[in-house]
Amino acid sequence: DTGVSQDPRHKITKRGQNVTFRCDPISEHNRLYWYRQTLGQGPEFLTYFQNEAQLEKSRLLSDRFSAERPKGSFSTLEIQRTEQGDSAMYLCASSFANTEAFFGQGTRLTVV
Amino acid sequence: AQRVTQPEKLLSVFKGAPVELKCNYSYSGSPELFWYVQYSRQRLQLLLRHISRESIKGFTADLNKGETSFHLKKPFAQEEDSAMYYCALTGNAGNMLTFGGGTRLMVKP
Repeated sequence: DTGVSQDPRHKITKRGQNVTFRCDPISEHNRLYWYRQTLGQGPEFLTYFQNEAQLEKSRLLSDRFSAERPKGSFSTLEIQRTEQGDSAMYLCASSFANTEAFFGQGTRLTVV
Repeated sequence: AQRVTQPEKLLSVFKGAPVELKCNYSYSGSPELFWYVQYSRQRLQLLLRHISRESIKGFTADLNKGETSFHLKKPFAQEEDSAMYYCALTGNAGNMLTFGGGTRLMVKP
């Protein structure tokens, strides 16, 4: 197990396009989190899953954002009709219950 | 609302000097506090959490509930300590983290 894996590492897209990111957590971890980090800021919580259930969503998560974790394993984060303000690093983390959260390398999104 | 404040964006010290990275928080209940570190070109990783009361890589942090602070300290900085440091808290069942803005520590030779 090489830790939390995110794909792609970088994505450049035109404004108005849809993008989808994937996160593969550590295999025995039941919790999965998505965070967003803009330049010069700390990560901000977006949403979290326990197994396949999405239990919490931040107010940052507009209706253009949707996340899934269909079988309680990998997760996808989709952004529809991207805007320049969506440019950020999108981080995924996983944990087993309330133990340490392990982060992925992130997906850097640039909207042009 | 919960908030974590790291007042210094950049802290520059010489090798062997003491280091203190400041972190203040606001939270109405009893939070759990963490320090995360991100070395150049590496992923964010946990450095220490207050409940474990450990010293990791020579770093310690004491939770001061009266001052709502969780400052990170090391008596003698090393060049390999150069990194971004983030203070974070959680107090909810889902263990979602609220991060501060981060402090870049530069340790000069």
